Amino acid sequence: AQTVTQSQPEMSVQEAETVTLSCTYDTSESDYYLFWYKQPPSRQMILVIRQEAYKQQNATENRFSVNFQKAAKSFSLKISDSQLGDAAMYFCAYRRNSGYALNFGKGTSLLVTP
Amino acid sequence: ETGVTQTPRHLVMGMTNKKSLKCEQHLGHNAMYWYKQSAKKPLELMFVYNFKEQTENNSVPSRFSPECPNSSHLFLHLHTLQPEDSALYLCASSPGEGNDEQYFGPGTRLTVT
Repeated sequence: AQTVTQSQPEMSVQEAETVTLSCTYDTSESDYYLFWYKQPPSRQMILVIRQEAYKQQNATENRFSVNFQKAAKSFSLKISDSQLGDAAMYFCAYRRNSGYALNFGKGTSLLVTP
Repeated sequence: ETGVTQTPRHLVMGMTNKKSLKCEQHLGHNAMYWYKQSAKKPLELMFVYNFKEQTENNSVPSRFSPECPNSSHLFLHLHTLQPEDSALYLCASSPGEGNDEQYFGPGTRLTVT
């Protein structure tokens, strides 16, 4: 079974600063997908960014980027120019190529201070 | 707003009650999912339906019974639940093929007394 580990239960960042959230995963497969989801206090989970394991280039979506290290099985999320609206729970998730299910980490609670 | 709605948003039920959670997606997706989100634990996949057929049952107790009458609707029927079943139940949908994003509903906060 694949496991996803987020070692930071809570993180804090000042507005306009940069923060990096960590995620590691365990798998024996070579082809899979990785995701970062955001769950604000309103509870509706939304996708922030995704990465295909076969792509060497790190995914980027505006202020959000990832550092995907396949050999190390690491998938960190960097948030640049943090905004108050970025405050939320962030979940790292793994999905194998041939399945539907997402395996989630326990999440990191991000606090953004003015 | 992700195009996935869930009702009710909050539910309190006794252990002998029977209730149902409803999920509806307006995205034309073919796959739908139930997840359980408990405090201090990762989201747990419960069931997956693709084209109305159940493709995954993640060893969920029989007191949880899913129903998918069509690709737009998904139900979770609850009966004789336990207090440890109290959690946020999230529904999601996806196109159902390839590297597709799952779109989540707002969840139903269930409390079993």
